[in-house]
Amino acid sequence: NAGVTQTPKFQVLKTGQSMTLQCAQDMNHEYMSWYRQDPGMGLRLIHYSVGAGITDQGEVPNGYNVSRSTTEDFPLRLLSAAPSQTSVYFCASSASGREDEQYFGPGTRLTVT
Amino acid sequence: AQSVTQLGSHVSVSEGALVLLRCNYSSSVPPYLFWYVQYPNQGLQLLLKYTSAATLVKGINGFEAEFKKSETSFHLTKPSAHMSDAAEYFCAVSSGGSYIPTFGRGTSLIVHP
Repeated sequence: NAGVTQTPKFQVLKTGQSMTLQCAQDMNHEYMSWYRQDPGMGLRLIHYSVGAGITDQGEVPNGYNVSRSTTEDFPLRLLSAAPSQTSVYFCASSASGREDEQYFGPGTRLTVT
Repeated sequence: AQSVTQLGSHVSVSEGALVLLRCNYSSSVPPYLFWYVQYPNQGLQLLLKYTSAATLVKGINGFEAEFKKSETSFHLTKPSAHMSDAAEYFCAVSSGGSYIPTFGRGTSLIVHP
């Protein structure tokens, strides 16, 4: 049982480039979320999903897209990277009935130059 | 609306001393409250959760937290700090059917030998 996995661990992008951060979970969790963590800001919710085919925006969705075609996968797309998107990104999942008990992946550290 | 405030971005203690990390919440309905811990270069993991079953909640690694409705607080304590407790600690709240918790800004616990 790998839990929540994220790839890549580290990424450097140039301004304007696009990329996809991958997230997968093998716990059959219905709920999945993406957060960004910045110093002194805690975790801020970007997008979340309550099941395959259903996504919604969180607190800071601008510049990011998500889709959820399967229960297992929840990729986060940066459409045109900006230096303000330099951050550590965490994916999390939770089970139906215990939605607020979240299991986190190890994170992706993204730098945009 | 729900929110949490963590008092002190850094707390420094000596090994063997009492650990006290402060969290106050705001919620218009009875909340669920959480503490998560993040060790360096890792994702967050759930330390403990309050769900109204008991006001004193025991978690992993000897930590516990007490829910005080009159003070709207959920402070985290440990009687004797260990070097391995050095980490970032996040308080979180979910309420009113919101299954996505709102996180505080985090408190970094520093343990001196």
